[in-house]
Amino acid sequence: QVQLVQSGAEVKKPGSSVKVSCKASGDTFRSYVITWVRQAPGQGLEWMGGIIPIFGTAKHAQKFQGRVTITTDESTSTAYMELRSLRSEDTAVYYCARNIAVTGTPSVFYNAMDVWGQGTTVTVSS
Amino acid sequence: EIVMTQSPATLSVSPGERATLSCRASQSVSSNLAWYQQKPGQAPRLLIYGASTRATGIPARFSGSGSGTDFTLTISSLQSEDFAVYYCQHCNDWPTFGGGTKVEIK
Repeated sequence: QVQLVQSGAEVKKPGSSVKVSCKASGDTFRSYVITWVRQAPGQGLEWMGGIIPIFGTAKHAQKFQGRVTITTDESTSTAYMELRSLRSEDTAVYYCARNIAVTGTPSVFYNAMDVWGQGTTVTVSS
Repeated sequence: EIVMTQSPATLSVSPGERATLSCRASQSVSSNLAWYQQKPGQAPRLLIYGASTRATGIPARFSGSGSGTDFTLTISSLQSEDFAVYYCQHCNDWPTFGGGTKVEIK
């Protein structure tokens, strides 16, 4: 069974960037979609985007256009999410998750997520 | 953007009782709907996908139903470990989540 282990908490200044990592172990990494979801303090969940490691193809929500980059390093089975031009509203717990491998859905990028990382707290404060 | 609305915001239930949670989409999402459970300080846990298919290892007391715009998550007999926040998510283009329903002990 795959496990996803994320990097540690970060404190960043407004306008800076953060890069969160998500290392997979225990299963084939490259053929699953890895999705990033965030959760602001006391709030609900927000889908940010995802990537298929085997193709390096990524999608992200329009809201993050120009600010987010999702990548992978197959040699280390690690996915990354970089968010730039940070503002206070980006303060949140960021999760990576593996999408379930089912067919007949609108897109593999949008499938439900069955394995989650432990979350990485990113605090943006001056 | 498809807006997901969950009701009620809070549900007070006694252990052993049945809980019924609702999720409504602002436009049809067919059966592309998932449910998650989240406990404080933990990552979400997938319960249901495809509106009614239980994820691996999920107890049979959890069931999902619905299609189009109206969906229901039913917990047939609440156990102590089921008190948590539940989120629905549509799995069509550009997924969004509902605001959550907190199931608390009555």
